[in-house]
Amino acid sequence: DAKTTQPTSMDCAEGRAANLPCNHSTISGNEYVYWYRQIHSQGPQYIIHGLKNNETNEMASLIITEDRKSSTLILPHATLRDTAVYYCIVRGGTSYGKLTFGQGTILTVHP
Amino acid sequence: EPEVTQTPSHQVTQMGQEVILRCVPISNHLYFYWYRQILGQKVEFLVSFYNNEISEKSEIFDDQFSVERPDGSNFTLKIRSTKLEDSAMYFCASSLGQFQPQHFGDGTRLSIL
Repeated sequence: DAKTTQPTSMDCAEGRAANLPCNHSTISGNEYVYWYRQIHSQGPQYIIHGLKNNETNEMASLIITEDRKSSTLILPHATLRDTAVYYCIVRGGTSYGKLTFGQGTILTVHP
Repeated sequence: EPEVTQTPSHQVTQMGQEVILRCVPISNHLYFYWYRQILGQKVEFLVSFYNNEISEKSEIFDDQFSVERPDGSNFTLKIRSTKLEDSAMYFCASSLGQFQPQHFGDGTRLSIL
């Protein structure tokens, strides 16, 4: 699976949009971009995934660049409960579906 | 919304003892996984399981580890002879398809004394 690069930490004001970037320049054509988050030491929570089109669900939006080498997770109106570690994961290809977690981005939402 | 449940939430075991961690995946899911997270470190893949057999395992998943789906609802991880370094949070996950989103339980904290 392709490697991803994320900033170590980010801050966001409550009520504002949080934009979390991810680089995955070695992504191959059949690999998906997945986003998960982990609040405290709870189990990782699925947020959203996409292949090449932008995606939106009730939690977030995912913007994937045309060359697919990077993506941005957008939380449109961040709340204090969105404070978590956010993981960008590229998945697919020859793996059997495992998720390979990196260090992720620690997002802190401030009042 | 259906969820993955794990029991117990915290397990304390003496070094060298066997431990079984239990998981009830989401009922119509077909793919099952175990991950672990040592305190302060990354979430690490251990094993994936489909159609009653292991489909992939990591280097961590050595002969001391085994998985089983003993009935239609449970998925277990057994550590035969625990070591101090097995202390970690163990997460179970399940998915409907091989590349469908995985849904995680809240984990079992395993403490080896």
